[in-house]
Amino acid sequence: GNSVTQMEGPVTLSEEAFLTINCTYTATGYPSLFWYVQYPGEGLQLLLKATKADDKGSNKGFEATYRKETTSFHLEKGSVQVSDSAVYFCALRRKGANSKLTFGKGITLSVRP
Amino acid sequence: KAGVTQTPRYLIKTRGQQVTLSCSPISGHRSVSWYQQTPGQGLQFLFEYFSETQRNKGNFPGRFSGRQFSNSRSEMNVSTLELGDSALYLCASSLVSGEAETQYFGPGTRLLVL
Repeated sequence: GNSVTQMEGPVTLSEEAFLTINCTYTATGYPSLFWYVQYPGEGLQLLLKATKADDKGSNKGFEATYRKETTSFHLEKGSVQVSDSAVYFCALRRKGANSKLTFGKGITLSVRP
Repeated sequence: KAGVTQTPRYLIKTRGQQVTLSCSPISGHRSVSWYQQTPGQGLQFLFEYFSETQRNKGNFPGRFSGRQFSNSRSEMNVSTLELGDSALYLCASSLVSGEAETQYFGPGTRLLVL
């Protein structure tokens, strides 16, 4: 079946550190891939997405590249801020699955000043 | 444009009761999906409605049901509540149903079953 695997957390970084959050997936065909962020007490917000191999999604300094050969969609940011503290979810949407998203377990990022 | 709204935001029920949660999508959006979020299972897809028709359904028992009205507002109902139904229930809307569509999530309804 379809699944998303995220690295174990939580992750704690100092402000301005480099961030990498790993995400790999298993799916039939070539799904669309997403990163969502959830701030405390809120719903999910779409951070970025990529819909085909080698696409790079980017937003607010975050980037992720759709790697078909390694079935990965790792999230990176060159310099994190305290305001980036949140839970990050990697997700996929399989072609033909309408709007259904399959999520990873999420990882909590804490950025200290 | 107003975002996705969910009511109520918080709810406390006891085992055996039933509950109805409401979701109002972004104006013009016709697809509404529901997800359950728990610490143990993470985010799991419940169902999706588009133009008042259920388009997709997750692996949940029949106690979980939903519907969509002609104005695209959606409700989900959980009957005979169990302790394990305690969760954050998230609703998401998109313009239409499809893999390329961006889904916008509401803040969720936090349900506690005692």
